[in-house]
Amino acid sequence: TQLLEQSPQFLSIQEGENLTVYCNSSSVFSSLQWYRQEPGEGPVLLVTVVTGGEVKKLKRLTFQFGDARKDSSLHITAAQPGDTGLYLCAGAGLTNAGKSTFGDGTTLTVKP
Amino acid sequence: DVKVTQSSRYLVKRTGEKVFLECVQDMDHENMFWYRQDPGLGLRLIYFSYDVKMKEKGDIPEGYSVSREKKERFSLILESASTNQTSMYLCASSLPLTGAEQYFGPGTRLTVT
Repeated sequence: TQLLEQSPQFLSIQEGENLTVYCNSSSVFSSLQWYRQEPGEGPVLLVTVVTGGEVKKLKRLTFQFGDARKDSSLHITAAQPGDTGLYLCAGAGLTNAGKSTFGDGTTLTVKP
Repeated sequence: DVKVTQSSRYLVKRTGEKVFLECVQDMDHENMFWYRQDPGLGLRLIYFSYDVKMKEKGDIPEGYSVSREKKERFSLILESASTNQTSMYLCASSLPLTGAEQYFGPGTRLTVT
């Protein structure tokens, strides 16, 4: 079974601060996705990273896939209250087409 | 606009009742999933379907069954609900590709008393 560990589990910061959350595994993934989930809603995809070492930017969010494709990070610059939510990473295995393994998530609270 | 809908946002059932959770997607996706989400445990896969009438057990299938008679509809059945099945249930769909984006419904918060 492939496992994904996310850290920290909870993060509470002030508006304007920077933060990084991590997603780590001992397994290699063919791709890795980051989702954001707001209370009472389903997760929504933010980004998919595929190539080892890949960096993708989405406005103030920067996503990086590790060189060995076992880990990933999400960095948010100048966080805003609208960034509040649960951030989930999900890894797709090398052989199981369609299924992904989800991490436990990082709950981010950005205070105004 | 792609859409996954779930039959109920909130549901309260009694122990021992048979419970049906319905999920419908309008994207013609082959893959459909049922997860449950609990604090500190993340999303855990209950069942996965990769085609009509085809299903595969996920990580926690005990106490659940599924039905997929039509491509767009995937049902989760709790044969005899128990209090430890109180949870948020999320349905998702995707294309049958490794690493394909999963589109989620809004979830059903089930309480079993």
